[in-house]
Amino acid sequence: QSVLTQPPSASGTPGQRVTISCSGSSSNIGRYTLNWYQQFPGTAPKLLIYSNNQRPSGVPDRFSGSKSGTSASLAISGLQSEDEADYFCAAWDDILNGPVFGGGTKLTVL
Amino acid sequence: QVQLQESGPGLVNPSGTLSLTCAVSGGSVSSRNSWTWVRQPPGKGLEWIGEIYPSGTTNYNPSLKSRVTISVDKSKNQLSLNLRSVTAADTAVYYCARPSAGARFDHWGQGILVTVSS
Repeated sequence: QSVLTQPPSASGTPGQRVTISCSGSSSNIGRYTLNWYQQFPGTAPKLLIYSNNQRPSGVPDRFSGSKSGTSASLAISGLQSEDEADYFCAAWDDILNGPVFGGGTKLTVL
Repeated sequence: QVQLQESGPGLVNPSGTLSLTCAVSGGSVSSRNSWTWVRQPPGKGLEWIGEIYPSGTTNYNPSLKSRVTISVDKSKNQLSLNLRSVTAADTAVYYCARPSAGARFDHWGQGILVTVSS
């Protein structure tokens, strides 16, 4: 299983606010910044949030990230149908001496 | 804007070697950035395979270290991945990526599905 723990699924209706959690340990999230990726079927992951709460250019401000201790969250406000995708968290890990990922959360817009 | 494109066989025999290349355009493979390979088994999460630094130093996932080699060909501006003694468990989409720092990957290739089967 994955080093970082995410719920396998999440859902919401259009306009709603949804949060996705990511839990780790002192060797990864507790020590390093957290990044979030969005992935649509058949495509490569796309950087969504970096350094816990920073958005790359072009990412809507509906997406926000936060981190506290060894856990982090991705929040999506004003949910839209095009947000339906898989979301992965990632952080550097001292034990692996490399990046570790969450197992991914499949977001369904009802 | 850096662009990455993976290529290689989509089917590899069990016990054989998986060999992929990643062509880099819009930037130099000799730049100060490191380069990374990540894989994703069908329907599953992402797994870091390893990385190579501009100096040529490599850093591999311990679970794959005995079977993997990552290298750079500066003349062709591409990086390569070799994974030996493959099994069905190595079936995955393989991505090359360029990190800005740590686990922040700004640039990804489109990925290539490699199936291990006879």
